[in-house]
Amino acid sequence: QIAVTQEPSFSVSPGGTVTLTCGLSSASVSTNYHPSWHQHTPGRAPRTLIRSTNIRSSGVPDRFSGSILGNKAALTITGAQAEDESEYYCVFYMGGGFWVFGGGTKLTVL
Amino acid sequence: EVQLVESGGGLVQPGGSLRLSCAASGFSVSGYWVHWVRRAPGKGLVWVSHINADGSSATYMDSVKGRFTISRDDGENTVYLQMNSLRAEDTAVYFCGRDVSYGMDVWGQGTTVIVSS
Repeated sequence: QIAVTQEPSFSVSPGGTVTLTCGLSSASVSTNYHPSWHQHTPGRAPRTLIRSTNIRSSGVPDRFSGSILGNKAALTITGAQAEDESEYYCVFYMGGGFWVFGGGTKLTVL
Repeated sequence: EVQLVESGGGLVQPGGSLRLSCAASGFSVSGYWVHWVRRAPGKGLVWVSHINADGSSATYMDSVKGRFTISRDDGENTVYLQMNSLRAEDTAVYFCGRDVSYGMDVWGQGTTVIVSS
């Protein structure tokens, strides 16, 4: 069964740039998988940052951007802020009415 | 304001049932696909189920297939998740999410399900 892979953790300095990636265990990511990115802190509602590869959700700051880098989906935060410290999840549409989340990346801003 | 509000969670014994509700406000859920996603303690987000816009198609993750049923009542502007034969591993916070272009774009705050004797 195909798996979605994310870096378990990442660290970025305030004001710095970080790129989180999301891959597939046995395929290259393309826009056909409609990758989306969501921020989640336990105890709160998830927040959609990016959908359909690179469409920023309403109200999301433009320091967040989505892309395909090589064979992976990518979320780049340019000018990270303290409030960006959270967990980030990608999700792919696998076709046939099925979606799969990655395991999440815990981002530390320090 | 566009919102989704989940309810119906609680403490239930193994083998028991619960029905979760996802009530939409600020928009009509009619015409939208809707997902249920859960997060178990110490784990990440996991996609659970989806229903299409007219309710004619529903899909489920393997471990809940045959036990969970998603449905919708557009007149009530609500999507439901009927959960039967609950197991300890179903313990999680359950979120509903509105779908736009094959991805969730609006989420609820979640409702907690605890399966324990």
